[in-house]
Amino acid sequence: AQSVAQPEDQVNVAEGNPLTVKCTYSVSGNPYLFWYVQYPNRGLQFLLKYITGDNLVKGSYGFEAEFNKSQTSFHLKKPSALVSDSALYFCAVRDVFGNFNKFYFGSGTKLNVKP
Amino acid sequence: SAVISQKPSRDICQRGTSLTIQCQVDSQVTMMFWYRQQPGQSLTLIATANQGSEATYESGFVIDKFPISRPNLTFSTLTVSNMSPEDSSIYLCSVEDRTGEDGYTFGSGTRLTVV
Repeated sequence: AQSVAQPEDQVNVAEGNPLTVKCTYSVSGNPYLFWYVQYPNRGLQFLLKYITGDNLVKGSYGFEAEFNKSQTSFHLKKPSALVSDSALYFCAVRDVFGNFNKFYFGSGTKLNVKP
Repeated sequence: SAVISQKPSRDICQRGTSLTIQCQVDSQVTMMFWYRQQPGQSLTLIATANQGSEATYESGFVIDKFPISRPNLTFSTLTVSNMSPEDSSIYLCSVEDRTGEDGYTFGSGTRLTVV
């Protein structure tokens, strides 16, 4: 079965500092991995994805994520956090071997960026 | 990418009643999806709705509790029936969107509180 885990409910970081939001995955076969962000009263917004290719994936708003097969991780990173990055972040994997359109989402990590 | 209008954005309902949530898309889409996001938890797929056929429900969700309509390629409804406080969640509509980079677009959700 496909699953992702986000071990941190909340991450606090000061503006201008680098941020990392952690995600580990468990899948059968090659993973299709995604990061989404949810702002209050807004829908999920796509940030980036990894399917194949370069392990370092760059996405929207200056975010990037590194796919690490040996550690089964897909951590989200940004070199310099902004207060406006404060939101709820979800890691997700797509069910490649079952319902291809089905996402398995992590529990979410609330990112707080303080001025 | 596709634009989703989901209504209502929020509601407070009495237990035992039903609420119908509407999802309108600005373009024709083949597949529409309904997710539930319980407080402090992840998103879980309820069902996949294709036009012209019955919705396909995920394990743990049944048609009697969550009847879904898909009358055309731009519209779907999800009804939460005989509500209890445990149904208090955010319900999100999502569509397959081949114009989007991740292939999907999510609505802003309906925040349901059952009292």
